[in-house]
Amino acid sequence: DVKVTQSSRYLVKRTGEKVFLECVQDMDHENMFWYRQDPGLGLRLIYFSYDVKMKEKGDIPEGYSVSREKKERFSLILESASTNQTSMYLCASSFKAGTGIMNTEAFFGQGTRLTVV
Amino acid sequence: AQSVAQPEDQVNVAEGNPLTVKCTYSVSGNPYLFWYVQYPNRGLQFLLKYITGDNLVKGSYGFEAEFNKSQTSFHLKKPSALVSDSALYFCAVTPGVSGGYNKLIFGAGTRLAVHP
Repeated sequence: DVKVTQSSRYLVKRTGEKVFLECVQDMDHENMFWYRQDPGLGLRLIYFSYDVKMKEKGDIPEGYSVSREKKERFSLILESASTNQTSMYLCASSFKAGTGIMNTEAFFGQGTRLTVV
Repeated sequence: AQSVAQPEDQVNVAEGNPLTVKCTYSVSGNPYLFWYVQYPNRGLQFLLKYITGDNLVKGSYGFEAEFNKSQTSFHLKKPSALVSDSALYFCAVTPGVSGGYNKLIFGAGTRLAVHP
């Protein structure tokens, strides 16, 4: 059974802390993604990676960075957590088509609900 | 700007009745279209996709969706709703070849409530 695992289901952090969200997939997927989910806004793409050490900004990268040192692991980093980063964070992965266009399903982790106080 | 619209925050339907969850999109190129479902405290699960070919696509759990290029729509349908279909549904799109981008753009989501 395919699996995307996020290290924490719930996190509570203080304003100004550096926060690491970890995601691991066991499907040998090239593509990995970080989204945040907020009510009424759907899923918004923060960063994605299509290969080891490669990353591209999504729609809302400000205040975040990422790291992909190994194919199976994609980390999201909040450099200095703020209350407006309280949200549900979803990691996803997918195969990379030859065209580079996303035409295959993405597999999602369970999500990490982060609260910044 | 490229976007996906799900005009209804919530859809209510009685069990056994047909259901429709609406989605329209605005992207460059020929789009690839997806539907995902999210059950409470779970990640998103893939339901179906349209890449090319027949405009009516069938997916998991008896769901289907119809691609309408002229109306730029990709509505999700099911002939007979079940209480267990109650969940949050997301439409997503990626620009096709001429749009050239390796990512999914999601709608805001529609909550489906099926009443016994």
